[in-house]
Amino acid sequence: DVKVTQSSRYLVKRTGEKVFLECVQDMDHENMFWYRQDPGLGLRLIYFSYDVKMKEKGDIPEGYSVSREKKERFSLILESASTNQTSMYLCASSLEGYQETQYFGPGTRLLVL
Amino acid sequence: GNSVTQMEGPVTLSEEAFLTINCTYTATGYPSLFWYVQYPGEGLQLLLKATKADDKGSNKGFEATYRKETTSFHLEKGSVQVSDSAVYFCALRRNTGKLIFGQGTTLQVKP
Repeated sequence: DVKVTQSSRYLVKRTGEKVFLECVQDMDHENMFWYRQDPGLGLRLIYFSYDVKMKEKGDIPEGYSVSREKKERFSLILESASTNQTSMYLCASSLEGYQETQYFGPGTRLLVL
Repeated sequence: GNSVTQMEGPVTLSEEAFLTINCTYTATGYPSLFWYVQYPGEGLQLLLKATKADDKGSNKGFEATYRKETTSFHLEKGSVQVSDSAVYFCALRRNTGKLIFGQGTTLQVKP
């Protein structure tokens, strides 16, 4: 069965902290994605990666960076968390190729105080 | 540019009622279209998809038809159950593989 896991379901951080959100998939997928989900805005793509050490900006990359050192793991980094980054963060993965279905993790709800 | 617009929720229905959630899109070319569902406390799951005009996607009693002439992909189900209560997202896939999502529609089904 397809499985995407995220390191935390809930996270509370303070403004200015460095925050790491981890995502792991066990399906040997090439593509991995980070989205944020906000009420009334749906999901918006932050970054994605199509291979180890490869990354590409999505629609809202400002304030975020990513790391993919191993195929199964994709990290989202908030260098200096701000209150407007309070959101639900969803990771997804898919096989290589733009027609493949994306599989989502359960999400991390981040609160920045 | 590409965009997806869904009807605003929440939608509240009684069990066994007929469901329609409207979705329209703006896109260049011929995108693939999707409905994803998010049950409480979970991530998104693919519910159904259609890859070309007039295709009908179906799963778990839900259906949606890709209508190019009206740029729509409305989700329907003939008889909803309490277990269908969730947030439903319409999405299109650009030719780069990236998904664009609508804002989501919350469905609440009461017994």
